[in-house]
Formats: sequence, structure tokens, C-alpha cells
Amino acid sequence: KQEVTQIPAALSVPEGENLVLNCSFTDSAIYNLQWFRQDPGKGLTSLLLIQSSQREQTSGRLNASLDKSSGRSTLYIAASQPGDSATYLCAVVGGTASKLTFGTGTRLQVTL
Amino acid sequence: EPEVTQTPSHQVTQMGQEVILRCVPISNHLYFYWYRQILGQKVEFLVSFYNNEISEKSEIFDDQFSVERPDGSNFTLKIRSTKLEDSAMYFCASSKDGSSYNEQFFGPGTRLTVL
Repeated sequence: KQEVTQIPAALSVPEGENLVLNCSFTDSAIYNLQWFRQDPGKGLTSLLLIQSSQREQTSGRLNASLDKSSGRSTLYIAASQPGDSATYLCAVVGGTASKLTFGTGTRLQVTL
Repeated sequence: EPEVTQTPSHQVTQMGQEVILRCVPISNHLYFYWYRQILGQKVEFLVSFYNNEISEKSEIFDDQFSVERPDGSNFTLKIRSTKLEDSAMYFCASSKDGSSYNEQFFGPGTRLTVL
């Protein structure tokens, strides 16, 4: 059974810092990995999708990497802003089904 | 930009009552999902739906739950007799097709409170 873990559970950084969020998964037989943003009490906004054959994806200040063999992904946020404050979730699709298995999330606070 | 919509945003019901949560997936998508998130816990998969039938369901999706695509645009989740532990945020998602390589797009969620 796939298990997805995210470290750290919470992170507070001053504005302007670059930061890295970590995601690990137990079964490396995945099809893709998605990173989401969730604001308090709100829905899930898809940030980046990395296919299993890819090593990284970039969107603006965000860069996600994938090391399938070691079961790890990182989300790099450059020049963080207070508006980046949210919970970041990673989720993987694996096996024969297309369902997403989610991690517990990292709650990010970017302070002024 | 096309998006998944869900109604209502918040539903309060008494234990034992039936509720129907509604979703309008992105119009050219063919694969639909329901997930839920109990407060403070992980987002969990409930069910996937394609071509008017369930493709996969989790252990959570027992006989109290059902899904339906009543027309060409809506996708619904029905809980027949709600329990206190059904209180959660329910998310609908859709993807272009059932390929495991496709991105899933989520709606804003319906917060269900069972009293």
C-alpha cells in the first residue's frame, strides 16, 4: 500500500527566502506526482504535475523535482512571498488505478 | 479557464438524513472522482467514475454511498444515512480521461457537517 509522507509538517520563513518542501513515497511504481496548494478551508489548486519519466517541472517561482527510484520529490519555492502562505500537498498516482494518494501536507507561513 | 464547481459550499444535516453533494466537472473531461478530507487529516480517495460506472472505490465507499451522473453535466455523491463521522470536506475532481498520466483538477469542496 502506497504511503506518502511530507516533511516538515510546518515551516515558517521570512519573505524573500528560498525554501524546499519534501515529499517521499514508499512505492516507486508511480505514474505521476502532483503538487497542490490548499488555502485554509478551501479547495486544492494544482501547481505542478510531474510524469514518472520526468525529472523536474517548473512554473514561475516553483520547481518540482522527482527521483522515482528513491521515492522522493521536492518542491522548491524561490523568493517566497506572504501570498505563498498555505498548505502544500503532494500526491501520487500509482498501480493500476488513477486515484491520487495524498501526503499529510506542509503548512507554510511566509512572514513579512 | 475551465474549472470544477461544487454545490453547496456548506451543508449541515442531522444524523441519519440523506445528503446529495453536487459537482459540475470540466466540460470535456471524462473521468470523475470524489475525495474527502476529515478535519486535520489527509485527503482520501473515495471513488472514481467513468462511462457511467464506478471504476474503483475505496474501503470508505460502502453501501451508504452512491454516485451518479444524472445528466450531461452534473456528477453527484449521495450519502444515504449520514453519520457523525461523515463530517468532512468533500472534493470532486475530474481529468481528461482515465489515464494515470493525466492531471486531476479539483473543485472548491463541500463542507459537510453532520449533527
